[in-house]
Amino acid sequence: DQQVKQNSPSLSVQEGRISILNCDYTNSMFDYFLWYKKYPAEGPTFLISISSIKDKNEDGRFTVFLNKSAKHLSLHIVPSQPGDSAVYFCAARNFNKFYFGSGTKLNVKP
Amino acid sequence: DTAVSQTPKYLVTQMGNDKSIKCEQNLGHDTMYWYKQDSKKFLKIMFSYNNKELIINETVPNRFSPKSPDKAHLNLHINSLELGDSAVYFCASSPKPDRIKGELFFGEGSRLTVL
Repeated sequence: DQQVKQNSPSLSVQEGRISILNCDYTNSMFDYFLWYKKYPAEGPTFLISISSIKDKNEDGRFTVFLNKSAKHLSLHIVPSQPGDSAVYFCAARNFNKFYFGSGTKLNVKP
Repeated sequence: DTAVSQTPKYLVTQMGNDKSIKCEQNLGHDTMYWYKQDSKKFLKIMFSYNNKELIINETVPNRFSPKSPDKAHLNLHINSLELGDSAVYFCASSPKPDRIKGELFFGEGSRLTVL
């Protein structure tokens, strides 16, 4: 039973445009949401997070939006760069447990 | 200086063998985890230890046994390996849960292939 879902396995975007990655969750007890980036043969690396008491968090080119009523999370990357090409995992935390989505592979074309 | 390191990075072995994967973190975190990334790419939690004490034990066959000799180390031992155990195993650590922060830090992963 997947509590965190990423329904788009892949996304292709032109360099300089906006990338929007989406994530849905089912558990209203999640208090903290995160995005991770993963390159092949490496571990996931933390990108950006948001507390459940906020609806937006921005860090440079990356912005995470949280819509609690819809149980929906999104990551915006503006402008997208070829180096952003990677697999992006959405995650949600309930106390000490982190639940992950299945990832979205982003390809940013030069 | 690697924050979360795990060895070996690659492991190829025969069905029925016993193998171990080691993990060490130098971040001073209290909590460590083992995650399994299966063929469908889901990252699923297996175990978590907080300061050497087991706090999360998901539905994992008892052929898998974690051991935490101290809070900086969490090892995973697997007995009687099966084909379905082939996966990438990630070790991770996190600081004490906090409302505003407290992300997971991952190791590079250990790819286990059972033949």
